[in-house]
Amino acid sequence: SQQGEEDPQALSIQEGENATMNCSYKTSINNLQWYRQNSGRGLVHLILIRSNEREKHSGRLRVTLDTSKKSSSLLITASRAADTASYFCATDENTGFQKLVFGTGTRLLVSP
Amino acid sequence: DVKVTQSSRYLVKRTGEKVFLECVQDMDHENMFWYRQDPGLGLRLIYFSYDVKMKEKGDIPEGYSVSREKKERFSLILESASTNQTSMYLCASSLLGGGRGTEAFFGQGTRLTVV
Repeated sequence: SQQGEEDPQALSIQEGENATMNCSYKTSINNLQWYRQNSGRGLVHLILIRSNEREKHSGRLRVTLDTSKKSSSLLITASRAADTASYFCATDENTGFQKLVFGTGTRLLVSP
Repeated sequence: DVKVTQSSRYLVKRTGEKVFLECVQDMDHENMFWYRQDPGLGLRLIYFSYDVKMKEKGDIPEGYSVSREKKERFSLILESASTNQTSMYLCASSLLGGGRGTEAFFGQGTRLTVV
């Protein structure tokens, strides 16, 4: 399987703290994306970082990408209870067409 | 707003039945995907399609087939449903992107139970 791995599998923090999730993958990629899934629902796109970028910001989200280590991290700053969800990374493999392969996900619980 | 619609939210089928899961998108996206999601395993790609009548196997195509006769519709077929195909099935679509990558939009999911 080409599926990536996310770490940690679960994370529990208090409101106001920062949450960091890591993603490792196995193949050459065009870009890496992060998605969020509220319980039992479809996924929602958060941010996309291209293979030639090292860092990207969007609101309270910060994503880094290290292609030499085949890894990425998602940082959520000043977390809120509403950030409670599962977070997935997805790699767009360099195959000539878009093949999105997802990781196993991190379950984030933010307590008030 | 982009809309990806899956035909059923919940489905219960019997072992051996032929099952059709339908997905329709309204944004003229070239790419469409079918995933299954199981606890602890994340999303696993079953099949994807980058054009009408074109399909590519994902990581777990065994026991499944797909059909894309029109650009907006991508169907997942379980030829003979088995209990190990009980899962949440997620459909997604995206623009072709031309190598630059584009975000995928997901349907709400179909929770299939095979009894």
